Amino acid sequence: NAGVTQTPKFQVLKTGQSMTLQCAQDMNHEYMSWYRQDPGMGLRLIHYSVGAGITDQGEVPNGYNVSRSTTEDFPLRLLSAAPSQTSVYFCASSYSTGANTGELFFGEGSRLTVL
Amino acid sequence: KQEVTQIPAALSVPEGENLVLNCSFTDSAIYNLQWFRQDPGKGLTSLLLIQSSQREQTSGRLNASLDKSSGRSTLYIAASQPGDSATYLCAATTGTASKLTFGTGTRLQVTL
Repeated sequence: NAGVTQTPKFQVLKTGQSMTLQCAQDMNHEYMSWYRQDPGMGLRLIHYSVGAGITDQGEVPNGYNVSRSTTEDFPLRLLSAAPSQTSVYFCASSYSTGANTGELFFGEGSRLTVL
Repeated sequence: KQEVTQIPAALSVPEGENLVLNCSFTDSAIYNLQWFRQDPGKGLTSLLLIQSSQREQTSGRLNASLDKSSGRSTLYIAASQPGDSATYLCAATTGTASKLTFGTGTRLQVTL
């Protein structure tokens, strides 16, 4: 009964380094998304996917890439880390019925610090 | 652009008190509104989801209402307990791509 699993939980990067945050869900959800949470700004959508092979940009996509080769996995790649990307990142998934995604299930989060 | 606001940002109540958390949104063309709970250092847990055609949803001591015309939702917590201490966030789903817009949350502390 894993739900949404994110790795790593903590990561420290130097400016300019790249890395991938992993997200996997075992609920056969079509919809998956990545958010970042910053103090005073709430959660903001980075990228989302409505199914394997389909991705789209959210509110703050710059500096991040995603792909969705399987239903289960939705990795988030930081191409060249910047201090402004220091944040807590959450992956979330839900079943999809067109525009109405339904109840959203979240992972435990990945805390990223960029020096 | 949808904007979601939660007031107050923080709230402290004694155990046993009934309380109401507020959520307002600017675009009434929502598909649904969700309430979440977040404990420190943890992810978000969905509490209640209200579809746009519904007026309210209940789960145990929690009751959430939705008034699209006024752009408001409330989360009512009955007989509060110290274990209810957490941050509560609401999120509205709008647009053709199922985008959720989150409020910044209300941090609730229930004291003994």
